[in-house]
Parts: sequence; structure tokens; C-alpha cells
Amino acid sequence: NAGVTQTPKFRVLKTGQSMTLLCAQDMNHEYMYWYRQDPGMGLRLIHYSVGEGTTAKGEVPDGYNVSRLKKQNFLLGLESAAPSQTSVYFCASSRDLTYNEQFFGPGTRLTVL
Amino acid sequence: SQKIEQNSEALNIQEGKTATLTCNYTNYSPAYLQWYRQDPGRGPVFLLLIRENEKEKRKERLKVTFDTTLKQSLFHITASQPADSATYLCAPPDSSYKLIFGSGTRLLVRP
Repeated sequence: NAGVTQTPKFRVLKTGQSMTLLCAQDMNHEYMYWYRQDPGMGLRLIHYSVGEGTTAKGEVPDGYNVSRLKKQNFLLGLESAAPSQTSVYFCASSRDLTYNEQFFGPGTRLTVL
Repeated sequence: SQKIEQNSEALNIQEGKTATLTCNYTNYSPAYLQWYRQDPGRGPVFLLLIRENEKEKRKERLKVTFDTTLKQSLFHITASQPADSATYLCAPPDSSYKLIFGSGTRLLVRP
């Protein structure tokens, strides 16, 4: 089992460019999450999904969109990147929402110039 | 608002000693709390979950306590080893059961 995978691992964008981060999990988990991690701050939830075809906003959703067309995939899109979106992005999945551990991917380091 | 606080200063200890990390939460009472380990350049890895009705939870050299009166969880690593060096994150859920992650405490274990 690969667990949770993320592509790409690194990306540099110019302000205003768009991109999509892909997350895939092979554990048949219902719940998937996108977080961002900035220095000195905890992981902050951007968007999450409680199942195929569903998405919901987290703590910091502005500037991001997501889609979950297939149960195993969760895409995070930046339509017009801004320097404030420079961060490390982590995807995670869990079998259930409560009392369940989250499995994290290796992260994507994004720099917006 | 719900707030999670972990000591931002790194904890530097000698190999073989017990490391104790603190997680304080304010303005609410979570039903449980999780602890994760994060190595540089990698995603967090789940370690332990402790419920509000559990005072203590153990897993090998790890021990977690949960004091709902003090609104605090302590994370202990006994007989620490250099391989235990990492950042440790506490994560209680919010009122809708989404995890709130602390900023983490970095542990350095000297050989």
C-alpha cells in the first residue's frame, strides 16, 4: 500500500498563475483533508471532504478550490496564486471523522513569486 | 475561540532521560486528543489518541496524560533516544470534530 501520495513534491509559481495539487489514497478512506503548514504555525485546514462528490470549507479556504470526483482522489486548486499562498501543503485521509487517526501524505512545497 | 498551545521552544535533553512535552487548550473541552510526530520534510505520523475519560495511555516508551481540569495533555517519552528527535504535534478536535493542530514542540535528544 502506498498510503497517501501527493504530486508534485515541489512547485514554483509566479503570481497569478494557476495550478492543481493532486492527492491520492489507497486505503478506501471516506474522509480527505487539505492542510497548509507555515513556519511557527500549526497545520491549518483548507478544505475537506466527507465522501466522493462532497467538499466543505475549513479554517482558511479563501483562494482555494477543491474537487473529489473519485473516492481515492482529492484535488486542490489555486486559480490565481498569491505570495501569501507560499507554504507546504499536506493532504490527509481518515476512515471516519471522529476518534480516527489521519494519514498524511509527504507534502508539496509551493513557492509563489 | 478554541486555542491550542504548545511550547514553541525546542526541548533539548540527554539520551536516556524522559522527555515531557505539554499541550494546553483553552475555551473548550475536547472529547479526545491526538499526538503526532513530524520529521523534517515529511508529513505528520499518528502516535496516540487519548479520550477524555482516560487519564493515561501508553504505547511502548510513550505515555500520554489528559487532565480535563487543567485543560492539559502531557506527552512523555521514556528512555529517550536520538531517533526520537522530531517535532511533536498535539491535535484535539474542535466542536465539529475537525482536528486543530498545535504548532508543535521540537525535541532534540543528544547522544
